Amino acid sequence: QVQLVQSGAEVKRTGSSVKVSCRASGGTLNGYAINWVRQAPGQGLEWMGGIIPIFGTTSYAQKFQGRVTLIADDSTSTAYMELSSLRSEDTAVYYCARAASAGYYDGGNPFDIWGQGTLVTVSS
Amino acid sequence: QSVLTQPPSVSGAPGQRVTISCTGSSSNIGAGYHVHWYQHLPGTAPKLLIYDTNNRPSGVPDRFSGSKSGTSASLAITGLQAEDEADYYCQSYDMTLSGVFGGGTKLTVL
Repeated sequence: QVQLVQSGAEVKRTGSSVKVSCRASGGTLNGYAINWVRQAPGQGLEWMGGIIPIFGTTSYAQKFQGRVTLIADDSTSTAYMELSSLRSEDTAVYYCARAASAGYYDGGNPFDIWGQGTLVTVSS
Repeated sequence: QSVLTQPPSVSGAPGQRVTISCTGSSSNIGAGYHVHWYQHLPGTAPKLLIYDTNNRPSGVPDRFSGSKSGTSASLAITGLQAEDEADYYCQSYDMTLSGVFGGGTKLTVL
């Protein structure tokens, strides 16, 4: 059974960038998309974007267009989310999550496997 | 302000039935897109509870069920148990915004 293992917590300065990784353990991603979802303190879940690693096809939420970049290395079954121009409001737990059906990367497919989450703290 | 609107909180006594609504619009739920539900316990990753409006993944008890009508969807939990106390989120696709979540509902078991 595939598990998603994320990189560790990060502390970043305002205006800098952060890159979080998500590696598939116990299997490969094949044609399944990896989505990124975040939860700020006291807030709900927020979809940021999705990528199909084998093709590099991406979809981004409007809110994050131009500030988030999703890339993937299919040979290592690892996806990355880079968020730039960080501000305090970006302090959140960032999750990667696999879409349940292959080929769907637009955030409308259910997410059946989740990473453990990565806390990103942004301060000045 | 979430595109999908959920009540901030619901509560019920053990054994009771509760429902959580998820209200959207003609550009998401009303357009026929499926709704999915997640259970989220603090400090853990969300868990898929219901997919494609009314289907349960393997291992999810049949106490959990989903439905949809018009621009709204609902999650019903019967035979409420203490372990059901958690945050619940709906998710769908929006023609303008792509993937969207509801604001979340905190379920308290009295």
